Amino acid sequence: AQRVTQPEKLLSVFKGAPVELKCNYSYSGSPELFWYVQYSRQRLQLLLRHISRESIKGFTADLNKGETSFHLKKPFAQEEDSAMYYCALSYGGSNYKLTFGKGTLLTVNP
Amino acid sequence: DAGVTQSPTHLIKTRGQQVTLRCSPKSGHDTVSWYQQALGQGPQFIFQYYEEEERQRGNFPDRFSGHQFPNYSSELNVNALLLGDSALYLCASSVLTGLNRNTEAFFGQGTRLTVV
Repeated sequence: AQRVTQPEKLLSVFKGAPVELKCNYSYSGSPELFWYVQYSRQRLQLLLRHISRESIKGFTADLNKGETSFHLKKPFAQEEDSAMYYCALSYGGSNYKLTFGKGTLLTVNP
Repeated sequence: DAGVTQSPTHLIKTRGQQVTLRCSPKSGHDTVSWYQQALGQGPQFIFQYYEEEERQRGNFPDRFSGHQFPNYSSELNVNALLLGDSALYLCASSVLTGLNRNTEAFFGQGTRLTVV
């Protein structure tokens, strides 16, 4: 069965510091990986997906199939990045059934 | 476009009762998925509806059922409520493309269900 693990429940950094949110997955096939973000009092929204290979709000994530990881990185954190981040996996060639990790709460301090 | 809308936003039910939650998808979307998010957990997939049929189902008992209407809106029904059903229920909508793939899923704000 597929599983997504986010080892850190909480992550706190200072403004301007680099940030890395870890995500590991287990799935024997070729999954699609996503990062979703939920800002305070807002709905869950897609941040980025590995097939797009794009940078959103300065965040990037590279799929490492050898390490089965999809870590989210940003070189210089901003206060507005404070939010709950969820890593998610989909399989079977579509994104209609997402398996989420438990999430990491990122706090960027001034 | 109001995006994905869910109703009600909160409700409290008694153990053993039945509940119906509603979801209107984003304009132009034809597929609706439901997720349960317990406190401190990530969302868990319940099922997905397309063309008024259940297309995929997660690991949830038959007490959880759903429906999709011709206008693509959807309902989630839970029978014989248990205390453990207390959670945030999220609806997500997307579009099924001709390649049998779904576009980005847009989520609603959720319905907070408390079972007492």
